Amino acid sequence: VLTQSPATLSLSPGERATISCRASQNINTYLAWYQQKPGQAPRLLIYDTSNRATGIPARFSGSGSGTDFTLTISRLEPEDFAVYYCQQRTNWLTFGGGTKVEI
Amino acid sequence: QVQLMQSGAELKKPGSSVKVSCKASGGSFSTHTISWVRQAPGQGLEWMGGIILMFGTVNYVPKFQGRVTITADESTSTVYMELSKLGSEDTAMYFCATSLPYTGSWSYFDYWGQGTLVTVSS
Repeated sequence: VLTQSPATLSLSPGERATISCRASQNINTYLAWYQQKPGQAPRLLIYDTSNRATGIPARFSGSGSGTDFTLTISRLEPEDFAVYYCQQRTNWLTFGGGTKVEI
Repeated sequence: QVQLMQSGAELKKPGSSVKVSCKASGGSFSTHTISWVRQAPGQGLEWMGGIILMFGTVNYVPKFQGRVTITADESTSTVYMELSKLGSEDTAMYFCATSLPYTGSWSYFDYWGQGTLVTVSS
């Protein structure tokens, strides 16, 4: 089970966003992060904890290992306001409940 | 670059079945693993299972075992997901997605279809 916190993050453009994802058991570094905007499919941002997917800006970064992981957006751009999900691949494929980053 | 095009929205009666298609273009079809992920209205993401196209190997989440069937037609580069015994709880957007290369068949999802809304209602 992946538990994300907070459920909602209220920030302004230019601020730093930090989203947490906690796993119920050790998943090594097998964790990804996705961004989803209303009416769209999710977009892969980060895989294997800290590798940015193709075309993802450097302001997105990931860290962690074992059971605790973090997605950081260094300076929020207007287009970053969305819902973010973590996903693990160690025990089946499961997603966290999501974190909404709102203005 | 891979593109995934899914079939249109469906309205189904409880107890019936639905079959959603996902047509792939760009890249080599047989090199992909394609999964199905669903999202109930206002809810999170849920992996249902997928197919390794090179071998035809399927993998279903136990929750859906016995109700879901994932197949592929290489001649049309299309993957299908059929879900039977539909209930209101199956109302959701259904996405197909490819697995990120070089990370294993069951891993992360890099390319996604646009989604197919399945509504189950009497």
